[in-house]
Amino acid sequence: DAGVTQSPTHLIKTRGQQVTLRCSPKSGHDTVSWYQQALGQGPQFIFQYYEEEERQRGNFPDRFSGHQFPNYSSELNVNALLLGDSALYLCASSWTGTSGTGEQYFGPGTRLTVT
Amino acid sequence: GDSVTQMEGPVTLSEEAFLTINCTYTATGYPSLFWYVQYPGEGLQLLLKATKADDKGSNKGFEATYRKETTSFHLEKGSVQVSDSAVYFCALRKQYGQNFVFGPGTRLSVLP
Repeated sequence: DAGVTQSPTHLIKTRGQQVTLRCSPKSGHDTVSWYQQALGQGPQFIFQYYEEEERQRGNFPDRFSGHQFPNYSSELNVNALLLGDSALYLCASSWTGTSGTGEQYFGPGTRLTVT
Repeated sequence: GDSVTQMEGPVTLSEEAFLTINCTYTATGYPSLFWYVQYPGEGLQLLLKATKADDKGSNKGFEATYRKETTSFHLEKGSVQVSDSAVYFCALRKQYGQNFVFGPGTRLSVLP
């Protein structure tokens, strides 16, 4: 059973550019959450997608947007990249159904470096 | 708002030493509490959890007890191993299906 997968593993972009990160949830999961983890800090919640809609959003600007596809996979898009966007971006999946525990399973992350 | 505070690291211990990593939280209501571990170059893995006051979560020799009166969820292990070297994150979740709020993490280094 494949866990949460993310691509790419590493990415280097220039300030002002746009980036798209991808996530495939664990089999059987229908909800995807995205987190930003700056170096030496804990993950910060960006947003959560369920049924192809953004269900919750953390304190991040509109430059951060996302999408969820019918197969539950998800993309995180960041426009007009800033140096401060350099971080590890983590995707977590979970099952929203009442039979689940609501636990989130994390992928290995995408390391984004903005120069 | 909701927040999680952890003891500052890094924590350096010798193998077989006793481990305590303090965690306290601020939140209304009755959140669920979690400990996640992050090994070098990897994502976060759930270590243990507790969903109500006085619950004790345990896994791989680690344990933590949900103390509502002190709003704490301290992580303990009786005898650490070199393989326990990692960053440990305390986290809370207000409601089922909601997002997690993480602490800043505590880096543990265990020396042989």
